[in-house]
Amino acid sequence: EADIYQTPRYLVIGTGKKITLECSQTMGHDKMYWYQQDPGMELHLIHYSYGVNSTEKGDLSSESTVSRIRTEHFPLTLESARPSHTSQYLCASSGQGNQPQHFGDGTRLSIL
Amino acid sequence: GQQVMQIPQYQHVQEGEDFTTYCNSSTTLSNIQWYKQRPGGHPVFLIQLVKSGEVKKQKRLTFQFGEAKKNSSLHITATQTTDVGTYFCAGGQNSGYALNFGKGTSLLVTP
Repeated sequence: EADIYQTPRYLVIGTGKKITLECSQTMGHDKMYWYQQDPGMELHLIHYSYGVNSTEKGDLSSESTVSRIRTEHFPLTLESARPSHTSQYLCASSGQGNQPQHFGDGTRLSIL
Repeated sequence: GQQVMQIPQYQHVQEGEDFTTYCNSSTTLSNIQWYKQRPGGHPVFLIQLVKSGEVKKQKRLTFQFGEAKKNSSLHITATQTTDVGTYFCAGGQNSGYALNFGKGTSLLVTP
């Protein structure tokens, strides 16, 4: 079983708050990803990283930011949460080449 | 950029019926991967195809990669209620780029 962890699993918070979603993996994977997914809908890639100090924006424009200071850690931050940010956020990682992606359990975020 | 189209968006079958979902890319792929997401869960990797015309089987599931490496299909024989979920294909162009996921096909199986 893949070892990738996301916290918190659920978060309900008010508008304007700063939020950090945590993602850690213990597989030593260089590549990590953040996806946004509404219930029953498609996966939207919002950020990815190919290694330490490497971050790129994905296909879906997002007001969030990410950092990759350590291989195992890829946190996502929203400086000022808004109701439009309500969604599920999935973190994933993969090894070299075309290795499959391993997903975390996700964070379900609700902004009131 | 590369787009991966997946059809149908939804499929509702009776238990025991077959099911197929199709994936088409606008560009040639280096590989295609298939994932399954159960309701309330996260996507889980099923299989990867890399060779032109490749066919792989996992019990009742058959995966195909087209000769031109632009399309793929997943066929489930005699569906069961445990097959319920959303099936995503994801195309890769080379090892330097993130996968492009299709929009998924949601399968509902009623007993």
